[in-house]
Amino acid sequence: AQSVAQPEDQVNVAEGNPLTVKCTYSVSGNPYLFWYVQYPNRGLQFLLKYITGDNLVKGSYGFEAEFNKSQTSFHLKKPSALVSDSALYFCAVRVRNSGNTPLVFGKGTRLSVIA
Amino acid sequence: KAGVTQTPRYLIKTRGQQVTLSCSPISGHRSVSWYQQTPGQGLQFLFEYFSETQRNKGNFPGRFSGRQFSNSRSEMNVSTLELGDSALYLCASSSTSGGETQYFGPGTRLLVL
Repeated sequence: AQSVAQPEDQVNVAEGNPLTVKCTYSVSGNPYLFWYVQYPNRGLQFLLKYITGDNLVKGSYGFEAEFNKSQTSFHLKKPSALVSDSALYFCAVRVRNSGNTPLVFGKGTRLSVIA
Repeated sequence: KAGVTQTPRYLIKTRGQQVTLSCSPISGHRSVSWYQQTPGQGLQFLFEYFSETQRNKGNFPGRFSGRQFSNSRSEMNVSTLELGDSALYLCASSSTSGGETQYFGPGTRLLVL
């Protein structure tokens, strides 16, 4: 079975500082990995995904994530946080080449950027 | 392209009633997935449809059902509502499946009294 762990419920960072939101995964096989962001009373917005190729993936709004196969991690990063980045962030995984397995989400990490 | 739309956005029902939620995917997308989001359980997968066929089903009771029409629009139905069914129901569409990105609608917030 596939699973995703986001070990931190809450991350606080000062505006202008770098931010990291952690994600580790467990799958039987190779993964597709995704990050989504959710603002209050909204659906999920796609940020970036890893399919194959370069381990460093760049996405929307200046976010990036690094795929680390040996550590089974896919941490989300941004060099300089903005107050507007405050939101709920979800990591998700799906087994590659397996159309019959669903996208599985972590519990989410609430990011708070303080001015 | 227009995004994923969900109707209604808000709904209040009482225990024992049934409810139908609707989702219109992005034009050209053939896969629609449904999720339930609650503060306690997070995002839980309900089911996925592709070209009118259910490809996958999550671990929910049979009171939760869905279908997809030939135009890829999807509906989910919850019968005999329980208080615990209060949640945000999210629909997502993608062009195929697998590694394709799922794009989410704004959700339908259901409150069961």
